[in-house]
Amino acid sequence: LAKTTQPISMDSYEGQEVNITCSHNNIATNDYITWYQQFPSQGPRFIIQGYKTKVTNEVASLFIPADRKSSTLSLPRVSLSDTAVYYCLVGPSTSGTYKYIFGTGTRLKVLA
Amino acid sequence: NAGVTQTPKFQVLKTGQSMTLQCAQDMNHEYMSWYRQDPGMGLRLIHYSVGAGITDQGEVPNGYNVSRSTTEDFPLRLLSAAPSQTSVYFCASKRGRVGDTQYFGPGTRLTVL
Repeated sequence: LAKTTQPISMDSYEGQEVNITCSHNNIATNDYITWYQQFPSQGPRFIIQGYKTKVTNEVASLFIPADRKSSTLSLPRVSLSDTAVYYCLVGPSTSGTYKYIFGTGTRLKVLA
Repeated sequence: NAGVTQTPKFQVLKTGQSMTLQCAQDMNHEYMSWYRQDPGMGLRLIHYSVGAGITDQGEVPNGYNVSRSTTEDFPLRLLSAAPSQTSVYFCASKRGRVGDTQYFGPGTRLTVL
């Protein structure tokens, strides 16, 4: 199964751009890369998804290099409300079994 | 659409009791799954289903049973609750197409004494 590795925690200040990198060395050809955000006592919420190159939506950008062995979530101009845990997810999986496995996540703390 | 709903929101059990956590979705999604999240930890996949009548094990299936008799419902059964099953349980669903995202329910907080 495609396993992901992320930094455990990051601190940033309001208004800064935050980049969180996820390593997924054994990503399979049919795997997508998805990022979720989770606030305390809530279920994860979809942020962005991509397959290759760059994807941008109204809240974030996702950068994926040509070898797809890593990806970077970019949050522009973070605010206090962006304090959350961010998960990188790769799937459906190398065997096509649709086991979407979450990593440990990155705990982002935005400071005033 | 209500999305993914879970009941109950909170539950306290005694060791050895059994119970069923309910999950329903009204988006006609083929794929449904159950995760558990222990305090300060990430989500771990318990069981999942790619369609009615089809289920499979995730990372941590022991002590849990599932069934998928309809597209809408995916209940999780705890056969004999243990304190190690104290956790927050999240249900999720997605369409069956590769690349579609999962939508998560609000969670059920379970305490086993």
